[in-house]
Amino acid sequence: GAVVSQHPSRVICKSGTSVKIECRSLDFQATTMFWYRQFPKQSLMLMATSNEGSKATYEQGVEKDKFLINHASLTLSTLTVTSAHPEDSSFYICSARGTGRSNNEQFFGPGTRLTVL
Amino acid sequence: GENVEQHPSTLSVQEGDSAVIKCTYSDSASNYFPWYKQELGKGPQLIIDIRSNVGEKKDQRIAVTLNKTAKHFSLHITETQPEDSAVYFCAAISQAGTALIFGKGTTLSVSS
Repeated sequence: GAVVSQHPSRVICKSGTSVKIECRSLDFQATTMFWYRQFPKQSLMLMATSNEGSKATYEQGVEKDKFLINHASLTLSTLTVTSAHPEDSSFYICSARGTGRSNNEQFFGPGTRLTVL
Repeated sequence: GENVEQHPSTLSVQEGDSAVIKCTYSDSASNYFPWYKQELGKGPQLIIDIRSNVGEKKDQRIAVTLNKTAKHFSLHITETQPEDSAVYFCAAISQAGTALIFGKGTTLSVSS
């Protein structure tokens, strides 16, 4: 159990376009989802925390108007990178924490590789 | 907030040897310490975790120890195999409902 999926796994887009990444918890309800960004050979950096039905909480330095997060249901959160630029190219990973589980345990998706040309 | 330091950044061992990765944390209120394995191009996979009311936990070839007084915890992999080669991250969480804070990762290479 505790499977988290992401779609797409890879996306290449032109500079200035917007890209939406979906994160789904497949076999549990996720009250909280987290979005991380990972640059090559670096650690995971938390971007924002998303609670179902409420606004996301963004980490310092992360532009909320550029990285739009929606957590409309207990199984789906989306991250939209608006007006993407080459410096937004990165590996985006979501994680989810579910109801009825240890309130610390988190399960990660497989990640989405974004390349902005 | 929480800060997690991880050492070493790279570790090379021969197949069959043991590998140890160490992490320290800053927030004495932290109570959950997971370890993740990440293979190239994939998301992190939880391999073992430990809570602050336990000093040691073992799962086959993998073990984790926690020293709350010193605020450090370690991952021990015995009888390493080439498929153990990956990047390993430690993490800590200080409050329920908050996100994990990750160490910078350790690239483990196991040569046969």
